[in-house]
Amino acid sequence: GAVVSQHPSRVICKSGTSVKIECRSLDFQATTMFWYRQFPKQSLMLMATSNEGSKATYEQGVEKDKFLINHASLTLSTLTVTSAHPEDSSFYICSAWTGLTYEQYFGPGTRLTVT
Amino acid sequence: SQQGEEDPQALSIQEGENATMNCSYKTSINNLQWYRQNSGRGLVHLILIRSNEREKHSGRLRVTLDTSKKSSSLLITASRAADTASYFCATREGASGTYKYIFGTGTRLKVLA
Repeated sequence: GAVVSQHPSRVICKSGTSVKIECRSLDFQATTMFWYRQFPKQSLMLMATSNEGSKATYEQGVEKDKFLINHASLTLSTLTVTSAHPEDSSFYICSAWTGLTYEQYFGPGTRLTVT
Repeated sequence: SQQGEEDPQALSIQEGENATMNCSYKTSINNLQWYRQNSGRGLVHLILIRSNEREKHSGRLRVTLDTSKKSSSLLITASRAADTASYFCATREGASGTYKYIFGTGTRLKVLA
C-alpha cells in the first residue's frame, strides 16, 4: 500500500515550453501533497505545499506563476513548469500525506531537462 | 536556511562496518524522521523518532535523538553494499493544517563490497 506515482519519469523539453508533471496517490487519499526540487548531490528543497481544493502555499523564493500547482482531487496533484529555462532542469519529487500518520509517501521523481 | 545540517556529507566504508550519520536541526520538533534515497529515485521512510524518545531501533538501524542539542544520529550496523544510498533526516514544522517537512543536507553513504 501507500504507493505514489509520478508521470513522466523523464522529460526533455525545449526552452520556452511548458511541462506538466503528475503526482498520483494510487491506493490512498492524500490530504496534502508536497512538491520538492532536488539538484544533483543535494537535498530536497520544498517548493510548495498543496491541499486538495485550495491554492498551493509556496515557499519563499519559489515563483508561483512559473511553477503552477493544481490539486484537483485527493489523489492527483500536478506541477506545471511554465516557460521552462535550462536552469529549471532538475529532479522534481512529490510526496503525499494522508494526515493520519506522520509519514509522507514519496513518488519516484521526474527528471526534467530543458535544452 | 531552510535546511538542517548533516554530517558527514559523504561516507565510504567497507561492508560489515558500521555507518554513523549525524543530523542537526534548528527548530523545536515533534518528531524527526530518517529517509533513504537511492540514486535518481524517490525517498523511502526508514524510521521516526518522537521528541520524547531518546533512542529507537529498527532491524540494523539505530536512531538517537538529543533535543537539548537539536541533533540526531542514524547508525547502520553490519553494513551491506545494498545500503549504498543517500540518507536524509527530516523534521516537521508548522501548525496543524500547515505542516511541512524540512530535509537535512544528506549523507551519501557508499558501502564497498
